[in-house]
Amino acid sequence: GESVGLHLPTLSVQEGDNSIINCAYSNSASDYFIWYKQESGKGPQFIIDIRSNMDKRQGQRVTVLLNKTVKHLSLQIAATQPGDSAVYFCAETVDSSYKLIFGSGTRLLVRP
Amino acid sequence: NAGVMQNPRHLVRRRGQEARLRCSPMKGHSHVYWYRQLPEEGLKFMVYLQKENIIDESGMPKERFSAEFPKEGPSILRIQQVVRGDSAAYFCASSPRGRGETQYFGPGTRLLVL
Repeated sequence: GESVGLHLPTLSVQEGDNSIINCAYSNSASDYFIWYKQESGKGPQFIIDIRSNMDKRQGQRVTVLLNKTVKHLSLQIAATQPGDSAVYFCAETVDSSYKLIFGSGTRLLVRP
Repeated sequence: NAGVMQNPRHLVRRRGQEARLRCSPMKGHSHVYWYRQLPEEGLKFMVYLQKENIIDESGMPKERFSAEFPKEGPSILRIQQVVRGDSAAYFCASSPRGRGETQYFGPGTRLLVL
């Protein structure tokens, strides 16, 4: 689909392994962070979010870690499944704004 | 509970024609956002609307593009006199309130300008 590009960074993992997708941000005023999953031909799907007053948040099979010191965000997916194959975007807002600022995305490929 | 709905899913226009993209937010959501996604890029904010009000259109080109969210009916993103560079995926998102709220996205409209 047009949302998945040939030049996106790609992470290839074996089914059942854990995946870690990283994202860097530059604005120290960013205070809300969201991870979205986008499958080919579809819209971004909310996975998990975290606010700047936290450094870790867990969901079902997913964990988001926030390191404000180095302005780094990561998404960990446990026991990666074929259905996890997609492009993953981090997004942030600054000063609790409504305007989402998206990163460039990472393509996750799960090998059977 | 239906999610954000967008139509059409695919739209083909010739240069100079008009494109109208529609978005119905999730039930109970009164805040709508439009984003554009070019190939190999993340989504870029275009405009933020509440019912009958444009709150922020800073990401929308000043010419040819307009948006509305009437009291009744869906939000409309309108592109007049389309050019090939308008070809992209246009996504709508909605939230129950504005600032600091999770935005839920629709499936998008893929616009192709010939």
